[in-house]
Amino acid sequence: GNSVTQMEGPVTLSEEAFLTINCTYTATGYPSLFWYVQYPGEGLQLLLKATKADDKGSNKGFEATYRKETTSFHLEKGSVQVSDSAVYFCALTGGGNKLTFGTGTQLKVEL
Amino acid sequence: EPEVTQTPSHQVTQMGQEVILRCVPISNHLYFYWYRQILGQKVEFLVSFYNNEISEKSEIFDDQFSVERPDGSNFTLKIRSTKLEDSAMYFCASKWTVDSGNTIYFGEGSWLTVV
Repeated sequence: GNSVTQMEGPVTLSEEAFLTINCTYTATGYPSLFWYVQYPGEGLQLLLKATKADDKGSNKGFEATYRKETTSFHLEKGSVQVSDSAVYFCALTGGGNKLTFGTGTQLKVEL
Repeated sequence: EPEVTQTPSHQVTQMGQEVILRCVPISNHLYFYWYRQILGQKVEFLVSFYNNEISEKSEIFDDQFSVERPDGSNFTLKIRSTKLEDSAMYFCASKWTVDSGNTIYFGEGSWLTVV
């Protein structure tokens, strides 16, 4: 079946540091890939997505590239802010209509 | 911007009681979902619903769970006899088409505490 593996958290960074959160997946066929973010006390919000190989999703300074050869969709941001502190979930849909989520990575950004 | 709305935001119930969680999906969406997130754990799929019937369900979604779309706007999750391990955040979600690249939009969740 489909699965998503994310790097363990929590990740603690200083403001303006570079962020990478690793995500790899296992899926049959050609899944679509997503990053969702969950701010404290809130629900899940779509951050970005990519629907085919080599696509790059981007939003709010975050980006991730769909790499079929390495089955990866790593999330990156060049300069994080305190307001980026949240839990980030990598997810995919493939061979069906449902999202399969990774375990989530908590990011804490400090001044 | 259209959004998925859920009620209640938080409910405390006694073990063995029935609970109904309510959701209003985005109005022109056709696919509806329930997910849950036990504290500190991953978000898990429970059930998907299309054309007034369940299209897929997970192993978690046993006979204690049911879903219903009683009218043109609401989508409900019923837990017949709650257990302590049902304590979790329950997310309703919806999307427009069957396309796997189409975004699934989530509500803010209903936090269920079973005591």
